Amino acid sequence: QSVLTQPPSASGTPGQRVTISCSGSSSNIGSNTVIWYQQFPGTAPRLLIFDSTQLPSGVPDRFSGSKSGTSASLAISGLQSEDEADYFCAARDDSLTGLYVFGTGTKVTVL
Amino acid sequence: QVQLQQWGAGLLKPSETLSLTCAVYGGSFKNYYWSWIRRPPGKGLEWIGEINHSGSTNYNPSLTSRLTISLDTPRNQISLKLRSVTAADTAVYYCARRLLWFSQYDLWGQGTLVTVSS
Repeated sequence: QSVLTQPPSASGTPGQRVTISCSGSSSNIGSNTVIWYQQFPGTAPRLLIFDSTQLPSGVPDRFSGSKSGTSASLAISGLQSEDEADYFCAARDDSLTGLYVFGTGTKVTVL
Repeated sequence: QVQLQQWGAGLLKPSETLSLTCAVYGGSFKNYYWSWIRRPPGKGLEWIGEINHSGSTNYNPSLTSRLTISLDTPRNQISLKLRSVTAADTAVYYCARRLLWFSQYDLWGQGTLVTVSS
């Protein structure tokens, strides 16, 4: 029962820029920071972006995040083959104490 | 280096209770929320719930009636119990941690596949 909506898929050739959208509402993205996770098959999710725009140590700077109103975006500049993975946005939701919601997920394919 | 190691039964019959444990090695419970998150096959991530070092819990409202998350502080372990499982509970289950005042999960367990089948 994902509350945040993402496109199911995105693709690009090596070197291209790919953008993934994440649409929410005033109770989640509109009121809280957005987090992005990257997940490869058979592995646990990895933190990619926090506080809507911040990169954790070790994440390449070709990844960037933005937020405007009740939507957010993840951009991958200079797409590389190792970026082929599933990407999920997430945020706290103020509709219920402590509630945390994920996006529907986007599969990125490198052509 | 802090690590999360999880384990539990991987095959259940409908109506049974799912029980998983997550051990924290090399770190403390304090100042963190300890959470459970799952990913059903072919679907996205679903937040199950969390507990902090004081035992305060937050649960996904869709699972609250069947869910218990608890702490075993002396053993540095977090447990998940989900009662009356159905095939819809088949998923890879992850434990994860986030600092109390932040929203991001920065450390994850390796994941445990739980299959519910008659």
